[in-house]
Amino acid sequence: GAGVSQSPRYKVAKRGQDVALRCDPISGHVSLFWYQQALGQGPEFLTYFQNEAQLDKSGLPSDRFFAERPEGSVSTLKIQRTQQEDSAVYLCASSQQVLTGAGYGYTFGSGTRLTVV
Amino acid sequence: AQKVTQAQTEISVVEKEDVTLDCVYETRDTTYYLFWYKQPPSGELVFLIRRNSFDEQNEISGRYSWNFQKSTSSFNFTITASQVVDSAVYFCALSEAGDTGRRALTFGSGTRLQVQP
Repeated sequence: GAGVSQSPRYKVAKRGQDVALRCDPISGHVSLFWYQQALGQGPEFLTYFQNEAQLDKSGLPSDRFFAERPEGSVSTLKIQRTQQEDSAVYLCASSQQVLTGAGYGYTFGSGTRLTVV
Repeated sequence: AQKVTQAQTEISVVEKEDVTLDCVYETRDTTYYLFWYKQPPSGELVFLIRRNSFDEQNEISGRYSWNFQKSTSSFNFTITASQVVDSAVYFCALSEAGDTGRRALTFGSGTRLQVQP
């Protein structure tokens, strides 16, 4: 597609529910990133994929968070047993390059706004 | 550890005024990249500029200009003759450089710019 597509755009979950957030990167993009953006804050790194390999998951806040990219294209971020502090916008970004300079050539999606009630 | 500080939470100006957004960073890396991103109400992050740490030349792009001062660890962003369409949240960000550098971006908390007609 022309841009990075994320779905759903909005998600309301009851506390304790599992959720799955989808990211469709630009076709052919090798690198894929997930960021979490709390209200009024800057995005915070969650995890990074190069093709299907998850090379960095140091930003995942707990073992309730899990990300996958099994075929090196679409990625899913799964949050188990959601809690209120998980409420945030989850941003996905992709890049054509295996980056030597992070952030150059990223295209970000519009994000999924997750509200846990 | 890396840190980016944007002390201005919100700035309001009248159209055609010049405005400067401040960014101060901390890093132990000798080489790094600095970025500015724009986040309009639609939510996606739009890349504006990347600056390498060993290139301290100031840059101008149309109404936008950037002042990088390594001595004060600052990377400020000026919009000349602001327009209503400039209204958005602006983020400064930092990353490691090099092939083995961590590819994650560290963002500041953002500055919300409102340009009044």
